[in-house]
Amino acid sequence: ETGVTQTPRHLVMGMTNKKSLKCEQHLGHNAMYWYKQSAKKPLELMFVYSLEERVENNSVPSRFSPECPNSSHLFLHLHTLQPEDSALYLCASSQDPMGSSYGYTFGSGTRLTVV
Amino acid sequence: TQLLEQSPQFLSIQEGENLTVYCNSSSVFSSLQWYRQEPGEGPVLLVTVVTGGEVKKLKRLTFQFGDARKDSSLHITAAQPGDTGLYLCAGANTNAGKSTFGDGTTLTVKP
Repeated sequence: ETGVTQTPRHLVMGMTNKKSLKCEQHLGHNAMYWYKQSAKKPLELMFVYSLEERVENNSVPSRFSPECPNSSHLFLHLHTLQPEDSALYLCASSQDPMGSSYGYTFGSGTRLTVV
Repeated sequence: TQLLEQSPQFLSIQEGENLTVYCNSSSVFSSLQWYRQEPGEGPVLLVTVVTGGEVKKLKRLTFQFGDARKDSSLHITAAQPGDTGLYLCAGANTNAGKSTFGDGTTLTVKP
């Protein structure tokens, strides 16, 4: 399978639940990202991993916890979320940490609803 | 904080019409990308422009990077319903060490 794959595509969770989002890329890219996309807001960068090391954490609440076990996999662990965390969560990868040379390859996203 | 402003925010046109959407900033970017995002999917890269004044064509889509590398435009000729989607621009800045996304233009092309 090529490109960036995200699972699950849809997730409904209660505020006391713990869940994880998974992202996988087989493009040989060195950087991976989590973005949050809410209605009427620009894409919000959450976390950046370059060569499996976290290089950016954009003041994201601790109820979101990323994990990058290797260069092909990225997780976002969720716990005690709030309804305002409901959004489309996008994973992306790029050859360089800024995506400046060849842009980003995005997954299809996980549509998260917190009830 | 670098900001990218896209205009218009929403655009609804009939099939066959031409349109232009804009991406503007007060900051200089080393490169700029355009993406299209369809409902329920992630953004898909359309083009990367690097040189000031650069023009790239992708079938009916024409992309231009401003001479000062602060702005860009996307022109679509003879729009089709398949062009419907959210168009996002993203600017990369080597000094800032990150890319910045605009807030997008939602295009609807009616048959």
